Amino acid sequence: RKEVEQDPGPFNVPEGATVAFNCTYSNSASQSFFWYRQDCRKEPKLLMSVYSSGNEDGRFTAQLNRASQYISLLIRDSKLSDSATYLCVVTEDYKLSFGAGTTVTVRA
Amino acid sequence: GAVVSQHPSRVICKSGTSVKIECRSLDFQATTMFWYRQFPKKSLMLMATSNEGSKATYEQGVEKDKFLINHASLTLSTLTVTSAHPEDSSFYICSATGSAKNIQYFGAGTRLSVL
Repeated sequence: RKEVEQDPGPFNVPEGATVAFNCTYSNSASQSFFWYRQDCRKEPKLLMSVYSSGNEDGRFTAQLNRASQYISLLIRDSKLSDSATYLCVVTEDYKLSFGAGTTVTVRA
Repeated sequence: GAVVSQHPSRVICKSGTSVKIECRSLDFQATTMFWYRQFPKKSLMLMATSNEGSKATYEQGVEKDKFLINHASLTLSTLTVTSAHPEDSSFYICSATGSAKNIQYFGAGTRLSVL
């Protein structure tokens, strides 16, 4: 079983739509959780950390459910520039484990 | 601006040659650097963890004699792919942590193509 699993998508949505997707992780000892964004053939870039209480950063909302071991990301009012692959990342002792990514394509 | 510089960004080489990739932290001392490999449409896979002045810790299944890692200073780590073969073709990415160990800053990656 993979440590971090994500729906690969793609999620094709029109501009302005809301899109949401989840990620599950297998290691209950995971300590920190993040969403990264990766554009085609580029390095991952930190989008936001994920906290148990849920957190919001502009149009992005992330939630963590430790009991069920899943993390979610919701993007409101999608922009063309949101088109990317979103990587779910969990850590244990500062070692990062990446999901394979969920691809989102926002169309005009 | 970038906090981690990775060079080169693209390498095309013949089978059997060795390729060195550099990863530099800019404006901070990187106590730990990480090397990842990513195949198309797959997740980043950690290859090894490199601490300055000590031997790298390799993940299971990664050959240490094939992928030589040197972390000679607090701002530089190198990965050498020795005797590269076509199956080594991949996207190699380094990352570095400073005092905030929970945050990794990534280099721009190196796309290696072995012919």
